[in-house]
Amino acid sequence: EVQIVESGGDLVQPGRSLRLSCGVSGFTFSDFALTWVRHVPGKGLEWLSTIGGTGDDTYYADAVKGRFTISRDNPKSTLYLQMNSLRAEDSGLYYCATMKRQQLVRGNYYYYMDVWGRGTTVTVSS
Amino acid sequence: DIVMTQSPLSLPVTPGEPAYISCRSSQSLLHSNGYIYLDWYLQKPGQSPQILIYLGSNRASGVPDRFSGSGSGTDFTLKISKVEAEDVGIYYCMQALKPPLTFGGGTKVEIK
Repeated sequence: EVQIVESGGDLVQPGRSLRLSCGVSGFTFSDFALTWVRHVPGKGLEWLSTIGGTGDDTYYADAVKGRFTISRDNPKSTLYLQMNSLRAEDSGLYYCATMKRQQLVRGNYYYYMDVWGRGTTVTVSS
Repeated sequence: DIVMTQSPLSLPVTPGEPAYISCRSSQSLLHSNGYIYLDWYLQKPGQSPQILIYLGSNRASGVPDRFSGSGSGTDFTLKISKVEAEDVGIYYCMQALKPPLTFGGGTKVEIK
């Protein structure tokens, strides 16, 4: 059974940094792309970033591009999100999710967010 | 960016009755490979989101068959054929056609 545990959330002042971690067990970590999504009360879900299995391919939402960095340590089965220059609007519950790969015809693949952690809370406030 | 718009915002439902949630995208989600790049997720109270439907109409593993997804181009529907009490929560559609992946604002389903 795949299990995901996020950690690192905290109360921080605007402009400071924070690093989130996501430990994953129950499958071959390097085989899967991973994603960070946050939930902001009253605003819903927001996709933040996705990283491929090798770590070579990364994608970011415009709201965090240049401030957040996604990375992974495959031997440690851990995903990270380095968050710099934090703003009040970055406050929320941060989820890590595995990306399940579905094979399509002609060798294409489709990915969707399959297993989610319980999240870790980030609060940015002075 | 592709904008996803859901309606209604809130949906009171009677157990045993059907429920319909609408999702509209600002551009077509039909990929050149012929598939619809749209997912549906449910976030039950106090829980993490869970996948319901992927590629517009494919139920994820373990999802009851009372859930179905349909639609094409820019208009999509999630149908719950007979609502059960455990179906309460916030439903989100999400486009996976191109980054940034974008979610709809959510539809809160509650029991009357």
